[in-house]
Amino acid sequence: DAGVTQSPTHLIKTRGQQVTLRCSPKSGHDTVSWYQQALGQGPQFIFQYYEEEERQRGNFPDRFSGHQFPNYSSELNVNALLLGDSALYLCASKGGSGSYNEQFFGPGTRLTVL
Amino acid sequence: KNQVEQSPQSLIILEGKNCTLQCNYTVSPFSNLRWYKQDTGRGPVSLTIMTFSENTKSNGRYTATLDADTKQSSLHITASQLSDSASYICVVSPQGVSKSTFGDGTTLTVKP
Repeated sequence: DAGVTQSPTHLIKTRGQQVTLRCSPKSGHDTVSWYQQALGQGPQFIFQYYEEEERQRGNFPDRFSGHQFPNYSSELNVNALLLGDSALYLCASKGGSGSYNEQFFGPGTRLTVL
Repeated sequence: KNQVEQSPQSLIILEGKNCTLQCNYTVSPFSNLRWYKQDTGRGPVSLTIMTFSENTKSNGRYTATLDADTKQSSLHITASQLSDSASYICVVSPQGVSKSTFGDGTTLTVKP
């Protein structure tokens, strides 16, 4: 089992561009969450997908959108990139939506906006 | 507002020494609390999970405690090793389907 995988590993974009990050959950997991982690801070919840629908959302603008596919993989899209969007973007998966179920995190995608 | 506060923000100790990290939270109604270890440039990895009825839980050299009355948790690391150098994040989840709240973490550096 490869665990949670994310692509790409690193990404450099300029302000105003759009970016798509990808995540494949751990085998058997159907719930995917995305987090933004700025340097020196804890992960900030962006949104969670379950059964191909966005179930919960954190305090992020509409520039952040996502999608979950029938195979449970997920994408995070960010439009009109700002310098402040530079961060490590983490994907996490778990089986079911219950909070007791352990989330497994991927290695993250490091996004740099110039 | 649900909040998780961790202290200290950073800590430097010598290899072989013990240390204790603190986590205070205001998340309610409480469901569970997890401690994660995050190596630099990697995703967090769960160390322990504790529910309301659990006071202590160990995972090797890591021991977590929970006081649900005072809403405090601690993570004690025994006989530290260089590989313990990482950020330790406290995550508290409420009952129901509301999202979990992450602390900003404590950065631990273990020096030889």
